[in-house]
Amino acid sequence: AQTVTQSQPEMSVQEAETVTLSCTYDTSESDYYLFWYKQPPSRQMILVIRQEAYKQQNATENRFSVNFQKAAKSFSLKISDSQLGDAAMYFCAYRRGLQGAQKLVFGQGTRLTINP
Amino acid sequence: NAGVTQTPKFQVLKTGQSMTLQCAQDMNHEYMSWYRQDPGMGLRLIHYSVGAGITDQGEVPNGYNVSRSTTEDFPLRLLSAAPSQTSVYFCASRPLQGLSPLHFGNGTRLTVT
Repeated sequence: AQTVTQSQPEMSVQEAETVTLSCTYDTSESDYYLFWYKQPPSRQMILVIRQEAYKQQNATENRFSVNFQKAAKSFSLKISDSQLGDAAMYFCAYRRGLQGAQKLVFGQGTRLTINP
Repeated sequence: NAGVTQTPKFQVLKTGQSMTLQCAQDMNHEYMSWYRQDPGMGLRLIHYSVGAGITDQGEVPNGYNVSRSTTEDFPLRLLSAAPSQTSVYFCASRPLQGLSPLHFGNGTRLTVT
């Protein structure tokens, strides 16, 4: 079974600085997709960024980027110019393939605090 | 657009009581699912459905039932609530094919005393 591990239960960063959240996963599949979700105190689950495993280029969405190391099965999230609104739980997630009922497997989460 | 609507937002039950968490989506998504979120464990899949009349178990199905009589609705039933079912529950949906992300409801915080 696929597993996703986030080894940092909590992280903190000064406002305007850069922080990197770690995620590793275990799979024997070649076709899969990786996601980062943000959960602010409102409890809403918000998709931050996604990466297709077949793409070598790292995904980027404004201040959010990933470092996807396929051989190492690592998928870290970098947040640049941290803002107070970035404070949230962040979940890494894995999905095998595009067809049918492939479930989303989540990591344990990392709680990010932004210090003003 | 309403998206995925979950009710209620909060619920307190006594051990042994039963209840149904409601989930409805208006995006015509075939795939619907229920997750529970517990501290230090992330989100774990309880049950899922790929269309009306079709349901299957996820990672932690014990103590929960689901049904899917329509495309829009996917209720989660707790048959006899236990303190171990204290959690935050999320309903989520997406199209069955392609890379559309899961659309989540806003969650239900359930406390079983």
